[in-house]
Amino acid sequence: QQQVKQSPQSLIVQKGGIPIINCAYENTAFDYFPWYQQFPGKGPALLIAIRPDVSEKKEGRFTISFNKSAKQFSLHIMDSQPGDSATYFCAASTSGTYKYIFGTGTRLKVLA
Amino acid sequence: DTAVSQTPKYLVTQMGNDKSIKCEQNLGHDTMYWYKQDSKKFLKIMFSYNNKELIINETVPNRFSPKSPDKAHLNLHINSLELGDSAVYFCASSLGRVNSPLHFGNGTRLTVT
Repeated sequence: QQQVKQSPQSLIVQKGGIPIINCAYENTAFDYFPWYQQFPGKGPALLIAIRPDVSEKKEGRFTISFNKSAKQFSLHIMDSQPGDSATYFCAASTSGTYKYIFGTGTRLKVLA
Repeated sequence: DTAVSQTPKYLVTQMGNDKSIKCEQNLGHDTMYWYKQDSKKFLKIMFSYNNKELIINETVPNRFSPKSPDKAHLNLHINSLELGDSAVYFCASSLGRVNSPLHFGNGTRLTVT
């Protein structure tokens, strides 16, 4: 119940394409869903986050879509660039628990 | 200005040794964490401290002992290192209030030979 399932494991797109990364969860107590971006040799960095009372959130080229009834959320990267090549993690947490459960990560490569 | 800094960046040691990793944050956060990232990139929480008090202690061998001397520092000491301890260890911090994002350090790559 504490798991967050992330897919695909890896993704290759052409520059300008729209990679989509999906995550699913079981625990309905989760109430915060961030996405993190990690470059080689660096720690994960917060990219964008959403709460379950919102179905979509957009920041720049990054959009989170959230489907509460299906217990799924996804990250879309518009007009992807080679600089977006990184590993992306979804995560989920419950207020007051201080604990974030991370997905298994998606390695994205954007070809020039 | 490095927000969350860890030392050392790389640590190579032999089985059976004891080693420590240090972490410091200058963000004014009150909650700090240790995460372990294995070779498959899985990120798993190990410990969390809020205002120097241990609040999360996942199923981690007791060879791992965290210590938080103050809110800005969280160290990790590992006794009797084993091959399976090889991983990247990330320190992170947050404000501790509900749904505060994590700020990660750049990790310590531990290799046990």
